[in-house]
Amino acid sequence: AQSVSQHNHHVILSEAASLELGCNYSYGGTVNLFWYVQYPGQHLQLLLKYFSGDPLVKGIKGFEAEFIKSKFSFNLRKPSVQWSDTAEYFCAVKPSGGYNKLIFGAGTRLAVHP
Amino acid sequence: NAGVTQTPKFQVLKTGQSMTLQCAQDMNHEYMSWYRQDPGMGLRLIHYSVGAGITDQGEVPNGYNVSRSTTEDFPLRLLSAAPSQTSVYFCASGQGPFYEQYFGPGTRLTVT
Repeated sequence: AQSVSQHNHHVILSEAASLELGCNYSYGGTVNLFWYVQYPGQHLQLLLKYFSGDPLVKGIKGFEAEFIKSKFSFNLRKPSVQWSDTAEYFCAVKPSGGYNKLIFGAGTRLAVHP
Repeated sequence: NAGVTQTPKFQVLKTGQSMTLQCAQDMNHEYMSWYRQDPGMGLRLIHYSVGAGITDQGEVPNGYNVSRSTTEDFPLRLLSAAPSQTSVYFCASGQGPFYEQYFGPGTRLTVT
């Protein structure tokens, strides 16, 4: 079965530190990849997505993610975090083809201290 | 546009009771889905629909029913509530599963 692993469940950083959140998936075919963010008390919203082309994808608020097909990974990065980045981050994968399911990882809760 | 709306925001049920969580979207999206969010487990897909009259099961469908009689509405029915169904439920819609999903504000359900 398809699955998505986010290895870091909780991450605590100081402002201006660099961020990298891991995401690995277990589907061998072509995939569409997403990162969603849920700020405290708010809806989930799309941070960035990868469908094809350049494996380095830039999203909103200075976030980027790199798709490494050989490693089945789609890690999220930000060079310098801010207190306002405190949120829960979810990686999601949609296998291409006839699959209509969007599978989410368990999420990583990020706390940024001023 | 209101986007994706969900009612109620909060609900407390006793074990064995049934209820329907409502979800509506005004973006004419074909694809709608229901997730439950539990601590440490992220979002798990319950059921989804690719259009009116078409529904399918997700990862954790047991104990839940859905129907899709219109493009706008996608209600989730709990047939006989159990404490294991205590969770936050999110409805989402999109042009398709490979497009951005728009999430509703969620329903926090407690089953005692």
